[in-house]
Amino acid sequence: DGGITQSPKYLFRKEGQNVTLSCEQNLNHDAMYWYRQDPGQGLRLIYYSQIVNDFQKGDIAEGYSVSREKKESFPLTVTSAQKNPTAFYLCASSIRTGVPFGYTFGSGTRLTVV
Amino acid sequence: KQEVTQIPAALSVPEGENLVLNCSFTDSAIYNLQWFRQDPGKGLTSLLLIQSSQREQTSGRLNASLDKSSGRSTLYIAASQPGDSATYLCAADGTGGGADGLTFGKGTHLIIQP
Repeated sequence: DGGITQSPKYLFRKEGQNVTLSCEQNLNHDAMYWYRQDPGQGLRLIYYSQIVNDFQKGDIAEGYSVSREKKESFPLTVTSAQKNPTAFYLCASSIRTGVPFGYTFGSGTRLTVV
Repeated sequence: KQEVTQIPAALSVPEGENLVLNCSFTDSAIYNLQWFRQDPGKGLTSLLLIQSSQREQTSGRLNASLDKSSGRSTLYIAASQPGDSATYLCAADGTGGGADGLTFGKGTHLIIQP
């Protein structure tokens, strides 16, 4: 079945470490997105990519980095510059610009700083 | 900048009741309006997608309406069941069909009492 796979489901980070969250899709979607979810704040857009080798900052990109070397993959790195990384991270995809088929989401990665 | 508001923030009703969840958005130039369901600790499941040219969409016991001119959408749940208990999120897709990501409301936390 087609879908989005996020891994790991749970991730623990020590102070000063960089960690990378994986997002893979087999939907043949062009566009991919990373969102952060905090209690009481809803989902906020971190980065998005509309095509391979291109990506744009969302509303809260500081302390995060991404790459889009393959259409299927859009990994998110949480760097040591992100001061409050504990949150639930969701990856999403959409077919392409201008086509109203909506967005598909993965099952999320919960990141905790220890 | 688009803002999405959902009312009420929380709702608890007995099983069997019909109920309405409300969503409002500030910029009426949306492309799509999408409703999601989120169970605790899980990702988002798409329920209904309403394109900007449409007025409503139905799936089983769910009906979503869209009034772009007033900046409102409603999700109607008929004959509620305990399994409907979850957080319901409304999200507006950007203007002009651009794949720039969704803007989310903070959600309505719904509890259906058996």
